[in-house]
Amino acid sequence: DVVLTQSPLSLPVTLGQPASISCRSSQGLVGSDGITYLHWFQQRPGQSPRRLIYKVSNRDSGVPDRFSGSGSGTDFTLKITRVEAEDVGVYYCMQATHWPPYTFGQGTKLEIK
Amino acid sequence: VQLVESGGGLVQPGGSLRLSCEASGFTFSNYWMHWVRQAPGKGLVWVSQINNDGSSTTYADSVRGRFTVSRDNAKNTLFLQMNSLRAEDTAMYYCLSDVDAAIGRDWGQGTLVTVSS
Repeated sequence: DVVLTQSPLSLPVTLGQPASISCRSSQGLVGSDGITYLHWFQQRPGQSPRRLIYKVSNRDSGVPDRFSGSGSGTDFTLKITRVEAEDVGVYYCMQATHWPPYTFGQGTKLEIK
Repeated sequence: VQLVESGGGLVQPGGSLRLSCEASGFTFSNYWMHWVRQAPGKGLVWVSQINNDGSSTTYADSVRGRFTVSRDNAKNTLFLQMNSLRAEDTAMYYCLSDVDAAIGRDWGQGTLVTVSS
């Protein structure tokens, strides 16, 4: 199974400051079709998860442009340019290249300092 | 787009439950669907998937042989039959869409399953 390792697991950030979350895979995530199926999800307290980024760097509809995804191979990053109060929650990366099973990272908890 | 799960509840170890997920706002029959669960205070874990016409299913090792995923495209509904339930199956269960080969565009609100005596 593909193991996704996120860091940090806890991320205290000052409002208006940038934030960055790393997701490292135990194996390369490029599919046989050349597409990398690495996605990012946000779960606000008490809510269902919501997808932010799909296939490494594509922002979902309605997601603020302060969120961006990048990376390739085994190393991927979610960046927030200026953290706002509504960004508090847990962020997960997920791979859908080598399945089954589809696997998630452990989650990174973002909080405001 | 809306996904609405139902069917969760309290069940004794060894018991059964059938979860449902009613979809609306998109052409349900065109897309694969998934179940993902989240134990209290824990992370997300993929459980099962089904292809668009129901002819192919896949399961996590932890549920294979006990859970069965199915769908009724005429009723835009996804199901998860859960048998031989264990305490470790206690979790919020979410259904997810898989649109344009990218899982997770849409999530339901979840339905809570508690396995306890």
